[in-house]
Amino acid sequence: AQTVTQSQPEMSVQEAETVTLSCTYDTSESDYYLFWYKQPPSRQMILVIRQEAYKQQNATENRFSVNFQKAAKSFSLKISDSQLGDAAMYFCAYRSGSGGTSYGKLTFGQGTILTVHP
Amino acid sequence: ETGVTQTPRHLVMGMTNKKSLKCEQHLGHNAMYWYKQSAKKPLELMFVYNFKEQTENNSVPSRFSPECPNSSHLFLHLHTLQPEDSALYLCASSPGQGTQPQHFGDGTRLSIL
Repeated sequence: AQTVTQSQPEMSVQEAETVTLSCTYDTSESDYYLFWYKQPPSRQMILVIRQEAYKQQNATENRFSVNFQKAAKSFSLKISDSQLGDAAMYFCAYRSGSGGTSYGKLTFGQGTILTVHP
Repeated sequence: ETGVTQTPRHLVMGMTNKKSLKCEQHLGHNAMYWYKQSAKKPLELMFVYNFKEQTENNSVPSRFSPECPNSSHLFLHLHTLQPEDSALYLCASSPGQGTQPQHFGDGTRLSIL
């Protein structure tokens, strides 16, 4: 079974600074997808960024980028120019790309609470 | 407007009550999901429905009973719950079971007395 681990229960950053959230995962599969979701106090889970395992290039979405290290099974999220609205719980998630019983199933990490200081 | 609407937003019930959580999506998606989010634990997938058919039951106790009358609506019927069932219950949908991204609702905060 796949597992996702976020080793940082809480992180903080100053507004306009850069912060990196860590995520590691364990899988024996070669075809999979990785995601970062954001959950603000409003509770809605919002997709921040996604990475296909077969792509070597790191995904970027505006101020959000990932450092995908497939061999190390590491998938960190970097937030540049942090804003107050970035304050939220961030979840790393894994999804199998192959068929079978795991198809479509998201496995989440424990989450990291990000605080942004003005 | 999130596209996925959950009601009620909060629910307090006793262990002997029967209640239902409702999820509705207006995105034309065919797959819908129930997740449980407990404090200090990862989100746990409970059920998956694809084209109204249940395709996954993640060893959920029978006191949770899902219902998917059509691709736009998903219910979670609750009866004789336990205090450890208190959690945030999130609904999500996606175009198909194997497609992303999953769009989430705001959740129902459930408290069992």
